[in-house]
Amino acid sequence: AAGVIQSPRHLIKEKRETATLKCYPIPRHDTVYWYQQGPGQDPQFLISFYEKMQSDKGSIPDRFSAQQFSDYHSELNMSSLELGDSALYFCASSSSREGTLGQYFGPGTRLTVT
Amino acid sequence: AQSVTQLGSHVSVSEGALVLLRCNYSSSVPPYLFWYVQYPNQGLQLLLKYTSAATLVKGINGFEAEFKKSETSFHLTKPSAHMSDAAEYFCAVNTRDDKIIFGKGTRLHILP
Repeated sequence: AAGVIQSPRHLIKEKRETATLKCYPIPRHDTVYWYQQGPGQDPQFLISFYEKMQSDKGSIPDRFSAQQFSDYHSELNMSSLELGDSALYFCASSSSREGTLGQYFGPGTRLTVT
Repeated sequence: AQSVTQLGSHVSVSEGALVLLRCNYSSSVPPYLFWYVQYPNQGLQLLLKYTSAATLVKGINGFEAEFKKSETSFHLTKPSAHMSDAAEYFCAVNTRDDKIIFGKGTRLHILP
């Protein structure tokens, strides 16, 4: 079965650079969630989208923005990167009918800021 | 607000022994609860979830968890540990606005 796809899987950036992370949800899933997991930490909710509209916002820095496109894929844009942004970024998708009960996680993008 | 507390950031069990990972929840409404496993350098995999149906929930890889409202607990168990069970385990709860809040995680070590 198709799973959530995230690209790239690994990304190395320098401080103050920008990064774009992409998430391709499971077919027919219309809701996307983004989480950040720092080293040795639990995943923290950043932001979610339903039908291309932001549905909820968590602890996402102002330097970050995200959007969902007409094909339901989502991109997380990160600017003015800081060392503390080094983390594993997960995307998850679900159908609006199931919400978090039917949430499936992608493999994550590991971002390293040097 | 909904939250979960995992007791023990590290748990070590011998291969073949019972695995017990503890999770207590706090929720003002009947919660949905989850257990996820994360192997090194990999993503989150759902082990099982409680959705207010049966209180004993069976998951993948021989794991199960029992929802106990009186104890506000959702402990994860497996009768016999395998070396391949070594991983980080996260208990999680969903919020009223439908996002998942994770516990701090418990790293399970399997001793040969």
